[in-house]
Parts: sequence; C-alpha cells; structure tokens
Amino acid sequence: QMQLQESGPGLVKASETLSLTCTVSGGSVSSSRYYWVWIRQPPGKGLEWIGSIYFSGSTYYNPSLKSRVTMSVDTSKNKFSLKLSSVTAADTAVYSCASLGGNPSYFDHWGQGTLVTVSS
Amino acid sequence: QSALTQPASVSGSPGQSITISCTGTSSDIGNSNFVSWYQQHPGEAPKLIIYEGSKRPSGVFNRFSGSKSGNTASLTISGLQAEDEADYFCCSYAGRDTWVFGGGTKLTVL
Repeated sequence: QMQLQESGPGLVKASETLSLTCTVSGGSVSSSRYYWVWIRQPPGKGLEWIGSIYFSGSTYYNPSLKSRVTMSVDTSKNKFSLKLSSVTAADTAVYSCASLGGNPSYFDHWGQGTLVTVSS
Repeated sequence: QSALTQPASVSGSPGQSITISCTGTSSDIGNSNFVSWYQQHPGEAPKLIIYEGSKRPSGVFNRFSGSKSGNTASLTISGLQAEDEADYFCCSYAGRDTWVFGGGTKLTVL
C-alpha cells in the first residue's frame, strides 16, 4: 500500500516562501500511473487543489495560485515538493500531498496533512 | 474556477438514507465523467469512496452510491451507521488539467 508523508516547517512568516516535501513509500514517483498533487484545507473550509506534477516534470497549477506556486519532483529521492511564495494569513491551512490515479480521475492515496501557519 | 457547492451539514438516524448534493457548472461537473467523493473522519486523511461518478473502490461498502444529473452530482448513503459520521467532499475535473473540490458536508448520525 502506497504511503505519502508531508514534511516541512509548520510556521512561515508572511511574505516569505512556504516549502513542503512529500515522501512517497510503497510506490514510485517515477510511475506513469500517477500524477502527484498538493491540496490544502484552510481551517473550517473546504479542500483546494493547488497543483499536480507528473514524473516527467510537467506541472499543472490552480489558476488562482499559479503565479506563486512551484512544484518539483525528485525521482532519486522518491519525493516531490511544493513552494508557495509571498504567503499571507490566507495561506494558513493543512497542506496534504496525494496521488492522482485512474488515468487520472481520482485522488487515491493521501498523506496525513501538515498544518502550516503564516504569522505576521 | 469556483468551488463546488455542497450543503454545510446533513443529518440522519441510523438505518435511514441521506443524500449529499454537489453543484457545479457546465465547465466542471456538467462536462466531466471524473466526479469523485471522499470521506474524512476527524484527524484522518480523506478516503476515496466514489470515483467516475458512480464507481466504488474495492473495500467500500455498497451502502455508498453516486450519481450525476446535469451540473449536480449526488452521494447517497443508505442504511446509515454511526461510523458514517464524517465530513464528505466532492471533486470534479474542471478542464485543462485542473480540479475543483466542494466545500464539504458534515454528516451527523443522530
């Protein structure tokens, strides 16, 4: 069973860059079966898709965040990463990594999520 | 790209059936075969329970069913059980390799 685990600072200062990494175990980020995604959930709100990356490095971002998001994949370490620049309090959320499978059509494996708080 | 609209909360008694709606637009639900539903218990990661509108992954009880009509998708849970109490999110492909989620619905089993 594939497992994903997020890691990174839980506190980021406003205007700085949020950086998170997702480590994949029991599967490979080089697999053509999956896209790798980041999703966030602000406190008390719904889920928001941030973006997806394929093992080839092709990226797809939420238009509302596109100017601030960078995703990358490290096949040698079986990890993929998220950078979100110029953060504000509105970026405070639980950030989760997940796999997008089914060709793709659904998010089938999720990390537990990590709370990132933006402080002023 | 706007979030899909779900009721904030629904409730039902054990054994009853409930339906959660998820309303989008012709740019997402109305034009996509890729609608999925997720169950999330407090402190846990979301779990896929319905994909491609009405299909159930292996291991998901047949008490969970999904459907779609026009721009609205629906999740029905029959024979409610206490362990069904959770948050439920819908999701749809929104074109151009983008995805959109609903705001989530809290299900309370009375």
